[in-house]
Amino acid sequence: DADVTQTPRNRITKTGKRIMLECSQTKGHDRMYWYRQDPGLGLRLIYYSFDVKDINKGEISDGYSVSRQAQAKFSLSLESAIPNQTALYFCATSDPGTGDGEQFFGPGTRLTVL
Amino acid sequence: RKEVEQDPGPFNVPEGATVAFNCTYSNSASQSFFWYRQDCRKEPKLLMSVYSSGNEDGRFTAQLNRASQYISLLIRDSKLSDSATYLCVVNWNTGFQKLVFGTGTRLLVSP
Repeated sequence: DADVTQTPRNRITKTGKRIMLECSQTKGHDRMYWYRQDPGLGLRLIYYSFDVKDINKGEISDGYSVSRQAQAKFSLSLESAIPNQTALYFCATSDPGTGDGEQFFGPGTRLTVL
Repeated sequence: RKEVEQDPGPFNVPEGATVAFNCTYSNSASQSFFWYRQDCRKEPKLLMSVYSSGNEDGRFTAQLNRASQYISLLIRDSKLSDSATYLCVVNWNTGFQKLVFGTGTRLLVSP
């Protein structure tokens, strides 16, 4: 079974709709991240969380919000989706005790906003 | 200037060839460096860390040049299964694991 799972895997929505992307992990890691990937831009950090009570904005947080419901769950919401939020979204986890560079990614959610 | 720059490729090589990718980074205070591999439409996965003295992992060799702020990845005896996008990743180590990703270099290995 996958250690980091994301739902849904694909989603098509319309401008103005609220949408939630969910991430769950069984790795027992405290740190979780949300990224988006766009062609030619690479992965960019949206939000990150060090534990349930600690949530921080990344470099492109405008238009997004997050919720850390438990150590294992980290959700990303688009309050009012717009077409330029069409992208591939990845959740990731890490454990600082095992090195500072390895993050474990979920399989991604492909989001299309029409 | 992008924080981490890579040639997007694609690099087209035959099986058995040796191929090298370079990556430059802009933040001279960067602390640690990595290569990730990403298959088409899949998630990135750590390939190897890059150490100051250079390091090898089987057919893969990574080098770091702090003075010139570049990182390299050498793949020897390329296999068809090496076809993927290789992401150069830098950790600014600002108190947490803030990884800055390059846009990736695409490698296509042909029979």
